[in-house]
Amino acid sequence: GAVVSQHPSRVICKSGTSVKIECRSLDFQATTMFWYRQFPKKSLMLMATSNEGSKATYEQGVEKDKFLINHASLTLSTLTVTSAHPEDSSFYICSARLAGGPGPTDTQYFGPGTRLTVL
Amino acid sequence: GQNIDQPTEMTATEGAIVQINCTYQTSGFNGLFWYQQHAGEAPTFLSYNVLDGLEEKGRFSSFLSRSKGYSYLLLKELQMKDSASYLCAAMDSNYQLIWGAGTKLIIKP
Repeated sequence: GAVVSQHPSRVICKSGTSVKIECRSLDFQATTMFWYRQFPKKSLMLMATSNEGSKATYEQGVEKDKFLINHASLTLSTLTVTSAHPEDSSFYICSARLAGGPGPTDTQYFGPGTRLTVL
Repeated sequence: GQNIDQPTEMTATEGAIVQINCTYQTSGFNGLFWYQQHAGEAPTFLSYNVLDGLEEKGRFSSFLSRSKGYSYLLLKELQMKDSASYLCAAMDSNYQLIWGAGTKLIIKP
């Protein structure tokens, strides 16, 4: 149980295009999902917290107009990187918070990640 | 401020035991998590401690001392597949995870 999927796993795009990444909790409902980015050999950096049916809460320094987050249902959150540039190239990982299921409350289960390369 | 400290890198031998330490300072505390992350992959959940003491789960154990702001992850009977980064994360009073930078564990034959 507690499986989180993420799609696509890898994307290469041209500078200026927009890229949408989907995060789905497959066997549980997630009222809260998180979006992280990770640079090589660095730890996770929380970008935003996404609550179903409400606006995402962005961390300081993260541009909400550039990284659009939509959490339309209890099993799906999307991150859209708008007008991507090479400096946006990174490993983007989502997680879903599991409440009332296997493991301790508030455990975050991670999707497999999306590697974005902007040329 | 909030801070998590863990060693950057450790090396151990296959079949041996290794202990990865983590100290934390957070605004409030709602538990300590350990995650494993293989290169190029997302983290996977290993353990959760909220009370003082040792939690054992197979070859992996995790310890917590709340009064000392200290935790460790103990890996026994090391296998080559245990080569990975191990992330320590403390949950603060707002139920947000504060992440350490991770400890890269290198296993040698």
